[in-house]
Amino acid sequence: GESVGLHLPTLSVQEGDNSIINCAYSNSASDYFIWYKQESGKGPQFIIDIRSNMDKRQGQRVTVLLNKTVKHLSLQIAATQPGDSAVYFCAENPSGTYKYIFGTGTRLKVLA
Amino acid sequence: EADIYQTPRYLVIGTGKKITLECSQTMGHDKMYWYQQDPGMELHLIHYSYGVNSTEKGDLSSESTVSRIRTEHFPLTLESARPSHTSQYLCASSEYSVYQETQYFGPGTRLLVL
Repeated sequence: GESVGLHLPTLSVQEGDNSIINCAYSNSASDYFIWYKQESGKGPQFIIDIRSNMDKRQGQRVTVLLNKTVKHLSLQIAATQPGDSAVYFCAENPSGTYKYIFGTGTRLKVLA
Repeated sequence: EADIYQTPRYLVIGTGKKITLECSQTMGHDKMYWYQQDPGMELHLIHYSYGVNSTEKGDLSSESTVSRIRTEHFPLTLESARPSHTSQYLCASSEYSVYQETQYFGPGTRLLVL
């Protein structure tokens, strides 16, 4: 069935290092992808998005890379800070549908 | 930052009670969604709405109902709460942007049914 999977359930990184969170998707019809950050007790917060006609998109300290060939999505966080500690979800939106398919999330722990 | 609100934030209630979870957004978004999320797990869509008087069930079977009488308001009702309804409920709304529709989420309601 359709699924959005994350390779690592927990990622620990040293403060100041770069973080890379990966995501695999299975629906080849998906043409829009979003990364969300969810802190404990809060709703998901939009971080960055990317359409399928792009390979890379950059925001403030974050970069999303999309490899459509292998159906892989990654979120790169530069100079990771304690405030980046959260669960990160990727979500895919199959073209022409209302659906956003979410994965189980990756917990990012920033070590001081 | 998105202006989408949910109340209550936390609710503990006994089995059999009727409850309504409120969700409001002030962005004028046409589309609104309800998701259920267990701790550390993915989000499951339970209801969505394309606009006023338009509601549909999502992928996850749910015993809840929704209504959309006003654009800004999308309440979710459980007629008879059960312990299996214990979860976090997230409301979201979306707009059409240059790229695609971006969903914005409320803070969530944590429900505990005893």
